[in-house]
Amino acid sequence: DVKVTQSSRYLVKRTGEKVFLECVQDMDHENMFWYRQDPGLGLRLIYFSYDVKMKEKGDIPEGYSVSREKKERFSLILESASTNQTSMYLCASINGGGSRAGYTFGSGTRLTVV
Amino acid sequence: GENVEQHPSTLSVQEGDSAVIKCTYSDSASNYFPWYKQELGKRPQLIIDIRSNVGEKKDQRIAVTLNKTAKHFSLHITETQPEDSAVYFCAASRSGGSYIPTFGRGTSLIVHP
Repeated sequence: DVKVTQSSRYLVKRTGEKVFLECVQDMDHENMFWYRQDPGLGLRLIYFSYDVKMKEKGDIPEGYSVSREKKERFSLILESASTNQTSMYLCASINGGGSRAGYTFGSGTRLTVV
Repeated sequence: GENVEQHPSTLSVQEGDSAVIKCTYSDSASNYFPWYKQELGKRPQLIIDIRSNVGEKKDQRIAVTLNKTAKHFSLHITETQPEDSAVYFCAASRSGGSYIPTFGRGTSLIVHP
């Protein structure tokens, strides 16, 4: 019953490449988020979106952009990948205005930039 | 903005012992406090949450307590089992139009058989 799907579990990319990380949810959630997870730093918010074509910067947006053309899909874009973007990337979604406000996370994409 | 501190960063216990993870938050307007468990190689999953109108909530072996005055909340796991070994994250947020929780940095719990 996977509800938030990230297209790749593992990716290896070269420095300078443009990288697309895809996330799809099937719960009709309004809100979607991208986090990166690094040891000792926990979960850090990169970007989020409340609605189609809407995006807001999180705590660490530098070097990233996002796209939300459809409600169910939220893409994270690394315009020019660098080695310091090697990390685990987690997508999450949540319903707006719901009585239960916990996230549903994707399985994560472990990105290595060489 | 909100700031969430989580302690300890690592916790090692023997099977059957209790484990307690503590978090403090800074924004007195925060009113929703979820806890997530992330097993090795898996996604974080919500295991229990508490709202600010409740002081304690229990679900089998896990419980969460909230002290609004002191702005801290804790996760308690009793009779720990090896399958409880995971990274646990606390978070704090406001319910309402936006759901942007601030996460703690995580606690790695190891339960030794």
